[in-house]
Amino acid sequence: GENVEQHPSTLSVQEGDSAVIKCTYSDSASNYFPWYKQELGKGPQLIIDIRSNVGEKKDQRIAVTLNKTAKHFSLHITETQPEDSAVYFCAAHMKTSYDKVIFGPGTSLSVIP
Amino acid sequence: GAVVSQHPSWVICKSGTSVKIECRSLDFQATTMFWYRQFPKQSLMLMATSNEGSKATYEQGVEKDKFLINHASLTLSTLTVTSAHPEDSSFYICSAEVGEETQYFGPGTRLLVL
Repeated sequence: GENVEQHPSTLSVQEGDSAVIKCTYSDSASNYFPWYKQELGKGPQLIIDIRSNVGEKKDQRIAVTLNKTAKHFSLHITETQPEDSAVYFCAAHMKTSYDKVIFGPGTSLSVIP
Repeated sequence: GAVVSQHPSWVICKSGTSVKIECRSLDFQATTMFWYRQFPKQSLMLMATSNEGSKATYEQGVEKDKFLINHASLTLSTLTVTSAHPEDSSFYICSAEVGEETQYFGPGTRLLVL
């Protein structure tokens, strides 16, 4: 069935370093890929998204890249700060069944001051 | 971004009682809202898709008679957990769809069934 994989499951970086989270999806017809940040006890917050007609998108310290051929997409956070510590979820908008968004299992990011 | 609220933020109830959770889109209208459940250290699991003015579409394995969803207006969807049991204890999160794809999430409701 439709599936989104995400790696790594946990990631620790020093403050100021970069963090990269990678995802793969199974439905080649997927055309929308959002990323969410979830802090403890809160709902997910949309931080960036990308559509299949674009290969890369950047918003300040956050960037997302998409490789449709390989069905990979990645989140890049530069100059990490302690407040970036959270769980990050990638997602893919699946179209094989009725439209719905499938979430990856999440990456727990810790930024060490 | 669009703002979605949920009420209550947390609730404790006795086993066998029913609990209603409200999800509101505050500054936009949402034809489609979604209900998710999240267990500790796990991802979001879609429970059902709620469409204004029509019956909700439930995911496989989700009991429609236990988790009642009503989407009576373009800004409000409700989830009622009927005859709640301890295994229903979880973090319930709603989202509202903007356009055809983008979802904005509420802050979640933590349910504890004793």
